[in-house]
Amino acid sequence: DAKTTQPTSMDCAEGRAANLPCNHSTISGNEYVYWYRQIHSQGPQYIIHGLKNNETNEMASLIITEDRKSSTLILPHATLRDTAVYYCIVRVPYLSGSARQLTFGSGTQLTVLP
Amino acid sequence: EPEVTQTPSHQVTQMGQEVILRCVPISNHLYFYWYRQILGQKVEFLVSFYNNEISEKSEIFDDQFSVERPDGSNFTLKIRSTKLEDSAMYFCASSADSTSYEQYFGPGTRLTVT
Repeated sequence: DAKTTQPTSMDCAEGRAANLPCNHSTISGNEYVYWYRQIHSQGPQYIIHGLKNNETNEMASLIITEDRKSSTLILPHATLRDTAVYYCIVRVPYLSGSARQLTFGSGTQLTVLP
Repeated sequence: EPEVTQTPSHQVTQMGQEVILRCVPISNHLYFYWYRQILGQKVEFLVSFYNNEISEKSEIFDDQFSVERPDGSNFTLKIRSTKLEDSAMYFCASSADSTSYEQYFGPGTRLTVT
């Protein structure tokens, strides 16, 4: 799985957009970009994933650069409940018919301020 | 919305004792996982399980660990002889099939070995 680099921490004002960057310069053509988050000591929660197109769901948007070497997770209107550690993970989702593990890094601690 | 459940939420045991951590994955899911997170550290993969056998395991998952799906609904992690360093949050996760991009995590079991 390609290595990812994320800032250690970020702050965001409540109601504003939170933009979380991730660098994955060694990503290969069949690797997807995933974002998960972990709210204090709870189980990680899937947010969104993408291969090369920008993606949007009810939680967030994912912007992947054209060269796929970096991406940005956007929470359009951050709330206090979005305070969490956000993990960017790059991986091939399955191999030889088997779903693969997730490898978590240190992530970005996002703190949403009132 | 279906969710992964885990019991107990907190288990305290003495060093050398056996513990069994229990998980009920989402009912139509086929792939199951155990991860752990030592306090203040990264989430680490332990093992994945499919079709009643282990698919992948990490170096952490040594002979002291075993997994089982005893009755078609529960998925268990057994630690035969616990050590102090086994103290951690243990998360169970499940995914629908080999092409699923999302893993759904349970709330975790906090294991404290004294």
